[in-house]
Amino acid sequence: QQQVKQSPQSLIVQKGGISIINCAYENTAFDYFPWYQQFPGKGPALLIAIRPDVSEKKEGRFTISFNKSAKQFSLHIMDSQPGDSATYFCAASGNSGYSTLTFGKGTMLLVSP
Amino acid sequence: NAGVTQTPKFQVLKTGQSMTLQCAQDMNHNSMYWYRQDPGMGLRLIYYSASEGTTDKGEVPNGYNVSRLNKREFSLRLESAAPSQTSVYFCASNGLAANTGELFFGEGSRLTVL
Repeated sequence: QQQVKQSPQSLIVQKGGISIINCAYENTAFDYFPWYQQFPGKGPALLIAIRPDVSEKKEGRFTISFNKSAKQFSLHIMDSQPGDSATYFCAASGNSGYSTLTFGKGTMLLVSP
Repeated sequence: NAGVTQTPKFQVLKTGQSMTLQCAQDMNHNSMYWYRQDPGMGLRLIYYSASEGTTDKGEVPNGYNVSRLNKREFSLRLESAAPSQTSVYFCASNGLAANTGELFFGEGSRLTVL
């Protein structure tokens, strides 16, 4: 069964600190790994995504690190700000035919001022 | 540009009642999806439509039906609502296969079944 395991469930970080959220997957056919950000009362929105041909992707303060051999990937938020407080979902999808996204259970991030 | 629009935003039902959640997208996307979000459970796929005229079951389809009315619209129907269907429902769309493109989500429909 396709599965993506996300940790921690919740995270409190001080302003200016580094937030780290981890995900692990089992299906070696997965080849697309996006992160979605969701603010209260809103739908999720794509934050950043990576494919297995690179080990790291950076967009501003957000970085995905990818470890193909360990089947793990993580989101790092540098210089975390109160405006980053949201729920973050990792996800994965495969490369065989039509493949839907499988989401992790989410991490609620609170950045304290 | 409205993106993905869901109606209603809030609904309260009694057990056994039926209702339909409506979703429309104006991005000319081929694929549309219905997810439910429950605390601690993440986003779980109920049904999806890879293209106009096709629908397929996702992870949690029991108790739901869908209709891809045309390329723009994808509705989710609860025939006999149960308290276990209390949830926030999200519609999403994308223009390519899910493994290559960004999913665009609506703002959600919050359903309570008493």
